Amino acid sequence: AQRVTQPEKLLSVFKGAPVELKCNYSYSGSPELFWYVQYSRQRLQLLLRHISRESIKGFTADLNKGETSFHLKKPFAQEEDSAMYYCALSSGGSNYKLTFGKGTLLTVNP
Amino acid sequence: EADIYQTPRYLVIGTGKKITLECSQTMGHDKMYWYQQDPGMELHLIHYSYGVNSTEKGDLSSESTVSRIRTEHFPLTLESARPSHTSQYLCASMGLSYEQYFGPGTRLTVT
Repeated sequence: AQRVTQPEKLLSVFKGAPVELKCNYSYSGSPELFWYVQYSRQRLQLLLRHISRESIKGFTADLNKGETSFHLKKPFAQEEDSAMYYCALSSGGSNYKLTFGKGTLLTVNP
Repeated sequence: EADIYQTPRYLVIGTGKKITLECSQTMGHDKMYWYQQDPGMELHLIHYSYGVNSTEKGDLSSESTVSRIRTEHFPLTLESARPSHTSQYLCASMGLSYEQYFGPGTRLTVT
């Protein structure tokens, strides 16, 4: 069975500090991995996906198959980054369900 | 503009009432989903559909039912609302690369 673990429920950093939100997964195949973000009073939205290897709002995430991790990183956190972040996995193929982690609430303090 | 819509956004209703939460998408997606989420908490998949006339129960048992008569429409119904149904309900659809797009949600309160 596939599983996504976000070990930190809460993460607090100061503005300008680096931030890393951890995501570990368990899946024996080659997963599709995503980060979603939910700002206060806004809908859940896709932040980035590993297959596109893009940087969105200064965030990047690298898939490490050896460590089965997909940590989200930003070198300099901004106050507007404060939000709930969810890591999600799809096993691909004919399985069209996403498995979500429980989420990490990031607070960036001024 | 392609989007996913949910109505109502907020609903306060008494115990025992029948309710239908609406979800429509103009993204042309076949696959649609309903999640239950308490604010700031994890998402629980309660129903999904891979196309017209196809519906399945999700990982979390729910007393709600769904239908999929049209590709763009995926309503969720509770025949008899109870306080334990108080939660936020999120509708989503899936794109070609397994990414999901979410609606704004319906916040349901059953008194």
